[in-house]
Amino acid sequence: NAGVTQTPKFQVLKTGQSMTLQCAQDMNHEYMSWYRQDPGMGLRLIHYSVGAGITDQGEVPNGYNVSRSTTEDFPLRLLSAAPSQTSVYFCASSGDWGSTNEKLFFGSGTQLSVL
Amino acid sequence: AQKITQTQPGMFVQEKEAVTLDCTYDTSDPSYGLFWYKQPSSGEMIFLIYQGSYDQQNATEGRYSLNFQKARKSANLVISASQLGDSAMYFCAMRPSTGGFKTIFGAGTRLFVKA
Repeated sequence: NAGVTQTPKFQVLKTGQSMTLQCAQDMNHEYMSWYRQDPGMGLRLIHYSVGAGITDQGEVPNGYNVSRSTTEDFPLRLLSAAPSQTSVYFCASSGDWGSTNEKLFFGSGTQLSVL
Repeated sequence: AQKITQTQPGMFVQEKEAVTLDCTYDTSDPSYGLFWYKQPSSGEMIFLIYQGSYDQQNATEGRYSLNFQKARKSANLVISASQLGDSAMYFCAMRPSTGGFKTIFGAGTRLFVKA
């Protein structure tokens, strides 16, 4: 049981480059989300999805794009990388509302550096 | 606005002693879930404990308990009999029932367990 698979683990980009962070889950979760983690700021929500074809913005969506064509996959696209996007990125999924079904299952994270 | 506040950037505890990590939250939703996650130095995110807003009793999971005071909007994590392996970053999180079931996080508390 793979859970949430997130790739790549590390990435270095130059300013202005674009890239896609991949995220896939095999738990049939409807809810998927992307967070960025910066020192002293906890995890901040970038974008989230409550099902295939449905996405919405979180707290810090600027500079990022998402789509959800299948239940399993939720890629995050950096359109034109900026040094301010240097961060650790986490993909997470969860089940339906109610009890510990709501807990987030996290990918292993992507450490992104933008030079 | 939904918000999680963790006022302790860092905490020290002696091995085998108990420690309380503070968390307050702000929401106008009548129904919500509260969570604690642990992030060791390896970077993975580990779910620890869940408390539903309508749960009458405080949640417990092994050495972890959640001191839930609804009127004070407080959800403190209590770790009993601290172990060296408890040294990590701890995040409090909340998932309101409205607004797309977004989970928001506090800034975190770094716990150091001394031998």
